[in-house]
Amino acid sequence: SQQGEEDPQALSIQEGENATMNCSYKTSINNLQWYRQNSGRGLVHLILIRSNEREKHSGRLRVTLDTSKKSSSLLITASRAADTASYFCATDDSFIQGAQKLVFGQGTRLTINP
Amino acid sequence: DTGVSQDPRHKITKRGQNVTFRCDPISEHNRLYWYRQTLGQGPEFLTYFQNEAQLEKSRLLSDRFSAERPKGSFSTLEIQRTEQGDSAMYLCASSLTGYLSYEQYFGPGTRLTVT
Repeated sequence: SQQGEEDPQALSIQEGENATMNCSYKTSINNLQWYRQNSGRGLVHLILIRSNEREKHSGRLRVTLDTSKKSSSLLITASRAADTASYFCATDDSFIQGAQKLVFGQGTRLTINP
Repeated sequence: DTGVSQDPRHKITKRGQNVTFRCDPISEHNRLYWYRQTLGQGPEFLTYFQNEAQLEKSRLLSDRFSAERPKGSFSTLEIQRTEQGDSAMYLCASSLTGYLSYEQYFGPGTRLTVT
């Protein structure tokens, strides 16, 4: 079953604008990861944030994590046409289960309009 | 390219037939995962291996499904007596174990269509 929900399910913005996607989850986690999926390259890991971290940056990506609210957000700044893809959050509760199986959300479909 | 590879990329089969998919992980990765993804949904965990040992199976993995990783390298996923509900993208991923190695590397997937 899916861990939680992503919001919005679809987002369409103009090139150059910022895109924000949110993810909520249900259980305690070890870490939360964001992945991108498009038809050309499949699922690609973007960024990982551990449960004891609150914010992380990687290039144009900024991820926040609020464990008290069981939520995370992904911000993509200065969007480009190549950012058009589906974005998934995935939680890892491996300190409980002992396995790094990922539990994915339903994804946000991001479209960048030129 | 030394990433995760999957074969075949597409498979069309008739209901009731058996199918087998192969996954070749990144060579130094000792963990291998199988996920299933249906249209409009995120991937769902099916099973995972550490080396050749299958350590966990999801309830999604009915007795018609079997996975192996005989020598701790490549893995196969077999579906017997396929049903239309098995139509999905089957994704394989690999990773290292260890405190700093949580990222999973995904293959391109095998798209199964059961007619």
